[in-house]
Amino acid sequence: QSALTQPRSVSGSPGQSVTISCTGTSSDVGGYNFVSWYQQYPDKAPKLMIYDVTKRPSGVPDRFSGSKSGNTASLTISGLQAEDEADYYCCSYAGSYTSVFGGGTKLTVL
Amino acid sequence: QVQLQESGPGLVKPSQTLSLTCTVSGGSISSGGYYWSWIRQHPGKGLEWIGYIYYSGGTYYNASLKSRVTISVDTSKNHFSLKLSSVTAADTAVYYCARDRGLRAAFEFWGQGTLVTVSS
Repeated sequence: QSALTQPRSVSGSPGQSVTISCTGTSSDVGGYNFVSWYQQYPDKAPKLMIYDVTKRPSGVPDRFSGSKSGNTASLTISGLQAEDEADYYCCSYAGSYTSVFGGGTKLTVL
Repeated sequence: QVQLQESGPGLVKPSQTLSLTCTVSGGSISSGGYYWSWIRQHPGKGLEWIGYIYYSGGTYYNASLKSRVTISVDTSKNHFSLKLSSVTAADTAVYYCARDRGLRAAFEFWGQGTLVTVSS
């Protein structure tokens, strides 16, 4: 059960779009439509932003969207805002009642 | 609104057992369909899933920690607990409890986290 692979950092200017990738295997990301994304500010608990690959919990702006192709899931943030600067983690169900997280991506808003 | 709150010692000696409790409010831990989880985050690092428990007592663990982890539930107190044995400095982390909305890796509610330091 290896961690999912995310880029260590991404950046974008206000108003732009950024995409964060999350690569796993056919045993996790590719095998189930149970991928989620979390936003975490320093010293705060993570917040669920996307679940079931594409669904947004109530209250999450529609600027946040998720997708998946094969063993790679992606989080896209459009209309980037300063408040989006945070760490982002993906997570996938990995079968046999287990879950696995990605290593995290630091988003910098330039 | 469901709320989770971790509690337990912030300092544990090496080789001892780390014990934490997660108290759930605003909802019953016995509500079917939800899986209650422990997740940890080493300082400055990413998130690591530790394990799940269902209200009926079924438990599922990260293979890398399985030999040292026990998660239990007390529905009468509406809380669930984590025990991690034989701890070392590598177990120093912020420990979170969270609720998964149906074994879908969708952790919708989280506690605020508690830092546990392993040191003599």
